[in-house]
Amino acid sequence: EAQVTQNPRYLITVTGKKLTVTCSQNMNHEYMSWYRQDPGLGLRQIYYSMNVEVTDKGDVPEGYKVSRKEKRNFPLILESPSPNQTSLYFCASSFVAGSYNEQFFGPGTRLTVL
Amino acid sequence: GQQVMQIPQYQHVQEGEDFTTYCNSSTTLSNIQWYKQRPGGHPVFLIQLVKSGEVKKQKRLTFQFGEAKKNSSLHITATQTTDVGTYFCAGSNDYKLSFGAGTTVTVRA
Repeated sequence: EAQVTQNPRYLITVTGKKLTVTCSQNMNHEYMSWYRQDPGLGLRQIYYSMNVEVTDKGDVPEGYKVSRKEKRNFPLILESPSPNQTSLYFCASSFVAGSYNEQFFGPGTRLTVL
Repeated sequence: GQQVMQIPQYQHVQEGEDFTTYCNSSTTLSNIQWYKQRPGGHPVFLIQLVKSGEVKKQKRLTFQFGEAKKNSSLHITATQTTDVGTYFCAGSNDYKLSFGAGTTVTVRA
C-alpha cells in the first residue's frame, strides 16, 4: 500500500531533550516536506527537500533540522525542544518537486514539550 | 512572503444547506490545491486548479479559480454529515505551498 509513515504518533517530552520524528514514504517520491499545524494557523511548512541531499527552509524553520540521506526517509530533528514547539506535525511527499503535485500526508505526530 | 487567507474560519451548516469557503492570496498564484482533513485525520488532496477562471466539480463540490489567479472558492451543495472536517486551500507560485488557516465545517442534522 502506498503510504507515508511517521513515528512516533504521540510524544511527550521535556524541554531540551533532543528528539527525532521519522518519516518514510514508499512511493519513490522526490519531494518531501514537514509541516506543523496549530489552531487558527493552518499548516505551516518547516523544511522541504527536493531530492536526496537537497533541503531548504520553509516558513518556520527555527529550532528544527532535517536530513535527506535516502530518498524514502526525511527525519525531523529537534535538537533542544521548547514548549512553543508543542504542535501537530505532518510529513508529506509528492512525486516531483514543485507545487503542481498532489501532496500525500502522513498520519501526523502529536508532540507535547513540557 | 506569500500569504493565503481563508474565510470563514468556522462554518456551522444545517444538513441539506449549501455553503462556500473562500481563499485569497496577496500574490498571483500559479495553481491552487484544496485538501480536506477529517477530525483526527490528516489532510487529503481533493483537487488542483491551474487555469485562470477554471471551474471543476466533484459531485456536490464545486471549485473555482479566479480570473486574476489570486482567489479561489469551494462551494458545497446539500451538505451531508460526511462533509464534516476542515477544508484547506494551498497556493503556490514557486516550490513551496502556502496553506490557508482552513475552514472547519460542522453539520447540524
